[in-house]
Amino acid sequence: ILNVEQSPQSLHVQEGDSTNFTCSFPSSNFYALHWYRWETAKSPEALFVMTLNGDEKKKGRISATLNTKEGYSYLYIKGSQPEDSATYLCAFGSGNTPLVFGKGTRLSVIA
Amino acid sequence: GAVVSQHPSWVICKSGTSVKIECRSLDFQATTMFWYRQFPKQSLMLMATSNEGSKATYEQGVEKDKFLINHASLTLSTLTVTSAHPEDSSFYICSASTSGMADTQYFGPGTRLTVL
Repeated sequence: ILNVEQSPQSLHVQEGDSTNFTCSFPSSNFYALHWYRWETAKSPEALFVMTLNGDEKKKGRISATLNTKEGYSYLYIKGSQPEDSATYLCAFGSGNTPLVFGKGTRLSVIA
Repeated sequence: GAVVSQHPSWVICKSGTSVKIECRSLDFQATTMFWYRQFPKQSLMLMATSNEGSKATYEQGVEKDKFLINHASLTLSTLTVTSAHPEDSSFYICSASTSGMADTQYFGPGTRLTVL
């Protein structure tokens, strides 16, 4: 059974703070690592797909890094804003099998 | 682009009745659609994968006779929860992909099912 772990489970930060969270996944049979943002009452939105060890992707104030050899990815948010409040999901893909999702990190940004 | 709709967004039904949930890709053709269930504080658990025109592939432990999946076209998949019981109460969410199993999925907003 593939295990995808996300930490922390939840996080409260002040507006303007920078923050980061972790996704751990199996280091074997790696194909892709996905990050999604899921706001309450909306559809999960794809943020990044990362495939190469050492990959670093950026979208506005959000960025992510990937280490496939040790099996982890970090998501960073610089200068958090209230609109960043959401659950951030990561999902591990090994190619021929469906994505396996972590439980998510719930971020609350307090104005 | 890549919008997926899901209806209904919530449903309350009596025990023993059947409930149908629709998942539509609005602006693209989905090679594959996925159905997930999420219990409180748990991760999205894949129930089944379906490809247009073929039978769905169910994950271990998911009863195919209870959770009927029909993928009639490249833009529509339906999940029918047959003879629903209170333990079927959960959040059901679909996603669609234009390519492979481990590629980007585009999600619907989900359906909250409550069985009384």
